[in-house]
Amino acid sequence: GQQLNQSPQSMFIQEGEDVSMNCTSSSIFNTWLWYKQDPGEGPVLLIALYKAGELTSNGRLTAQFGITRKDSFLNISASIPSDVGIYFCAGRSSNTGKLIFGQGTTLQVKP
Amino acid sequence: ETGVTQTPRHLVMGMTNKKSLKCEQHLGHNAMYWYKQSAKKPLELMFVYSLEERVENNSVPSRFSPECPNSSHLFLHLHTLQPEDSALYLCASSQDRAYNQPQHFGDGTRLSIL
Repeated sequence: GQQLNQSPQSMFIQEGEDVSMNCTSSSIFNTWLWYKQDPGEGPVLLIALYKAGELTSNGRLTAQFGITRKDSFLNISASIPSDVGIYFCAGRSSNTGKLIFGQGTTLQVKP
Repeated sequence: ETGVTQTPRHLVMGMTNKKSLKCEQHLGHNAMYWYKQSAKKPLELMFVYSLEERVENNSVPSRFSPECPNSSHLFLHLHTLQPEDSALYLCASSQDRAYNQPQHFGDGTRLSIL
């Protein structure tokens, strides 16, 4: 079946550093979503993207819908300890309409 | 508070037990979903309901039986589960199934099969 390749799998950074993660697909998507999941909780929507090239910010978070419609990235600027968690991308396939999730990027921030 | 409430938060059951997971959404959404989240794997979509009608079943074993009595409530009935069914089960809802409607998740039920 269709898969999303999310990278990196994990990151361990110093507080204050910027973070970048991305998702790629072999097929075209019409929607990209970025979620964050804290331990013991469900994923929480961070940013939703609906148009190729779209760049959207939510506080220190910025995400972009790739021009090719096959990728998306999420940047976190000036990381803080509460940014710790697992970040998931999700894309809705233009072919099937199904929402597919990446495997997640685990972020750890050292104070 | 995401507007999607799942109970119980934790459940331990034997392979011969029958139990049910409950999900309630307070967002006025028309679509509801069950996902399975296992360690080191992407979220797996199990079932999709739209306006109380099951519209998607992604090859889920019959030991999982969903029920959607109304647009605010979704159940997952469990019977004769296997150890590999131990996972976090997440419920989500969205305004409808249109591509531009993001899904909002509950905090999940952590299920352990003995």
